[in-house]
Amino acid sequence: EVQLVQSGAEVKKPGESLKISCKGSGYSFTSYWIGWVRQMPGKGLEWMGIIYPGDSDTRYSPSFQGQVTISADKSISTAYLQWSSLKASDTAMYYCVRRTVTDAFDIWGQGTMVTVSS
Amino acid sequence: SYVLTQPPSVSVAPGQTARITCGGNNIGSKSVHWYQQKPGQAPVLVVYDDSDRPSGIPERFSGSNSGNTATLTISRVEAGDEADYYCQVWDSSSDHHWVFGGGTKLTVL
Repeated sequence: EVQLVQSGAEVKKPGESLKISCKGSGYSFTSYWIGWVRQMPGKGLEWMGIIYPGDSDTRYSPSFQGQVTISADKSISTAYLQWSSLKASDTAMYYCVRRTVTDAFDIWGQGTMVTVSS
Repeated sequence: SYVLTQPPSVSVAPGQTARITCGGNNIGSKSVHWYQQKPGQAPVLVVYDDSDRPSGIPERFSGSNSGNTATLTISRVEAGDEADYYCQVWDSSSDHHWVFGGGTKLTVL
């Protein structure tokens, strides 16, 4: 079964750092782009960025450039999303997604809820 | 950046047909994808490339795309179809490459 499994929920304080993960299985991890999508509480979906694990080529939405870092370790079929200094406004559900050849997202992780509160 | 416009809500009685629109400048020239998100769950791809269905998605879900409007059509609506629906395109002319519509809440009366 093709799936993306994300790390568990996190509760952090403003200013702290965080790295969440997304492990792919059931397919060739290095052959598909993996993206990240944010969903703030009660709001819609926002594309954050995307990485090709085969060569770590990475693209960011201008809205998130400089705010987060996307990386991947192809040896363990895992992609990451990290923050160096969290803000309360980073509180959201974060999904990793697999990109298809026609730019849809056909596989979604279960989501990682990040809560930032003092 | 490219903007996709969806109605905030659509209501339909069970057994009827629901149509959810997604407006964008010359969207007919792009491939449109649709996602269903039920409360507390991750989104699921229900239509891709305007009108194709992934395996496991009922034939009741269909899509069309022309001009400035794409449409997701759900025939013979069931209570279990109640969810938020999002359209999405890839826009080569923008740095915001993957663009989502604001979402439509489908209510089954």
